[in-house]
Amino acid sequence: EPEVTQTPSHQVTQMGQEVILRCVPISNHLYFYWYRQILGQKVEFLVSFYNNEISEKSEIFDDQFSVERPDGSNFTLKIRSTKLEDSAMYFCASRMGSHTEAFFGQGTRLTVV
Amino acid sequence: AQSVAQPEDQVNVAEGNPLTVKCTYSVSGNPYLFWYVQYPNRGLQFLLKYITGDNLVKGSYGFEAEFNKSQTSFHLKKPSALVSDSALYFCAVRFTSGGSYIPTFGRGTSLIVHP
Repeated sequence: EPEVTQTPSHQVTQMGQEVILRCVPISNHLYFYWYRQILGQKVEFLVSFYNNEISEKSEIFDDQFSVERPDGSNFTLKIRSTKLEDSAMYFCASRMGSHTEAFFGQGTRLTVV
Repeated sequence: AQSVAQPEDQVNVAEGNPLTVKCTYSVSGNPYLFWYVQYPNRGLQFLLKYITGDNLVKGSYGFEAEFNKSQTSFHLKKPSALVSDSALYFCAVRFTSGGSYIPTFGRGTSLIVHP
């Protein structure tokens, strides 16, 4: 069964450092998302990506964040200068079309120290 | 704006008993509704969805959910709970037109099934 894969599963970084979280969506999917979940809290939408551009983003997704789909398979989330409050589980998701559900990856646990 | 509410932080049920996890949504259009389950240290796993058609939808692992338009609810149910059903359950909503196409998640409900 096809699945969304995310790497790494856990990343520890120092405050102020840049991190790149990687995702490989399901190959025939067209819509891509990043969500985050701070420990014990709700799943929060960050950004959606369609047709090689951001289609929608939340207030959380400020100038420190960027996304890229560099090669038609990977979908990355970059945080330029990490803050302690960026510590969370980050989920990538993809879906095929308008009537379909989103499939989520296993997540990357980001710990900023 | 679309929103979804899960009024219970935690639901406790004995194994073998029926379970219900509640979800209500705020609508400004026709909703697509989803349930996901999250096991510890895992991602979100799709359970079922309502797009259109029969109000009662069946999903994975014996779960089902009933769409009630008048009550704007989409409660998750299972006739007989298993200990292995213990997990965090998220309801999500997405609107089909005139609104955001982004799935919005509830806060999650922790289901604990006691042996």
